Amino acid sequence: SQTIHQWPATLVQPVGSPLSLECTVEGTSNPNLYWYRQAAGRGLQLLFYSVGIGQISSEVPQNLSASRPQDRQFILSSKKLLLSDSGFYLCAWSGLAGNTDTQYFGPGTRLTVL
Amino acid sequence: AQSVSQHNHHVILSEAASLELGCNYSYGGTVNLFWYVQYPGQHLQLLLKYFSGDPLVKGIKGFEAEFIKSKFSFNLRKPSVQWSDTAEYFCAVTRFSGGYNKLIFGAGTRLAVHP
Repeated sequence: SQTIHQWPATLVQPVGSPLSLECTVEGTSNPNLYWYRQAAGRGLQLLFYSVGIGQISSEVPQNLSASRPQDRQFILSSKKLLLSDSGFYLCAWSGLAGNTDTQYFGPGTRLTVL
Repeated sequence: AQSVSQHNHHVILSEAASLELGCNYSYGGTVNLFWYVQYPGQHLQLLLKYFSGDPLVKGIKGFEAEFIKSKFSFNLRKPSVQWSDTAEYFCAVTRFSGGYNKLIFGAGTRLAVHP
């Protein structure tokens, strides 16, 4: 069966520091991968998605970037964190099933920027 | 722009009460519909989904949802809730575009069930 991992689970970082959040998927090949941010009372907002190694699409302009160095690895980064980057970050994966795709979510990383 | 509206942000029920959480979406084309649930301290989990066929969909833990195309709705129901149903529930809609399904979430509904 497929599993998705995220780390760290929680992170407290000062403003202006760099960020690297990692997501890995096991048990599947060539998944679509997604980064979301969950804000209280606002649901989940898609930040980035990737359909393959090195292929990243951004949904919203922001202080963050994403990379996919390996098939089942997805990294969310920032060179300099802002206070507004605080939030709960979720990684998700889906198989290549066309328009009947279903996304499955990881446990998330809670980021606090001070 | 495509959007998903969940009518209730907070719902409080007693055990054994019936539950209905509203969800409406704005996109007029072909959509896939989902309900996800997030129990306290746990992953966001898929509760049920609708792609096609019977508009009444049954999911895990006794939940069901009905797709009413004419009303652009996909309401979640459970005839008798339990304390363990306390969680946050998210409705989501996908539209296939650019090689992947773009998943649009509602703001979520926090359900608290009291014993």
